[in-house]
Amino acid sequence: GAGVSQTPSNKVTEKGKYVELRCDPISGHTALYWYRQSLGQGPEFLIYFQGTGAADDSGLPNDRFFAVRPEGSVSTLKIQRTERGDSAVYLCASSLSHSTDTQYFGPGTRLTVL
Amino acid sequence: GENVEQHPSTLSVQEGDSAVIKCTYSDSASNYFPWYKQELGKGPQLIIDIRSNVGEKKDQRIAVTLNKTAKHFSLHITETQPEDSAVYFCAASIKQAGTALIFGKGTTLSVSS
Repeated sequence: GAGVSQTPSNKVTEKGKYVELRCDPISGHTALYWYRQSLGQGPEFLIYFQGTGAADDSGLPNDRFFAVRPEGSVSTLKIQRTERGDSAVYLCASSLSHSTDTQYFGPGTRLTVL
Repeated sequence: GENVEQHPSTLSVQEGDSAVIKCTYSDSASNYFPWYKQELGKGPQLIIDIRSNVGEKKDQRIAVTLNKTAKHFSLHITETQPEDSAVYFCAASIKQAGTALIFGKGTTLSVSS
């Protein structure tokens, strides 16, 4: 079956611009997570959705980062006034429910801020 | 909060040898410990996981052991093959519901034929 998909696969933008990154979770998965992976590091948690609501956004680094999941399926991570330090691979994962541990990851979006 | 340490950062073995990667965690409340394999340009892929009520789990050439008292867990790969070459990450969950994962920094495994 289809896994987690993310678009675009690569995004190059200029410092100060706004970007949106999209995640399509596995069909039927109610829990969705965003992580950020810098070069040579493990993924770092950003935000977790259960259904439409953000159940835990403690990993968002600052108020330039925002994520939505209006219909409980597709999610969009939004970054305002991008900075060079935002350059990383942004990973999305989904799991069947909040009580199911296994998280399945998408291929990621590589964001480069020039 | 939870902290996960992973060792070694790089590991080179000959094809057919075994490989062992070790992780320690700090939060005794953690109860779920997955291992992911990540190939270049791809997202992490779950290869095996273990829950805190189990001490060992095996799936073909891959096994994971957990020592709750010492707060460490290990990945064992036997009969390594060149296609096992990748970056491996351990992780631990910080909440009872097993939500956000805290990852180690990864181990780059190279298997030479």
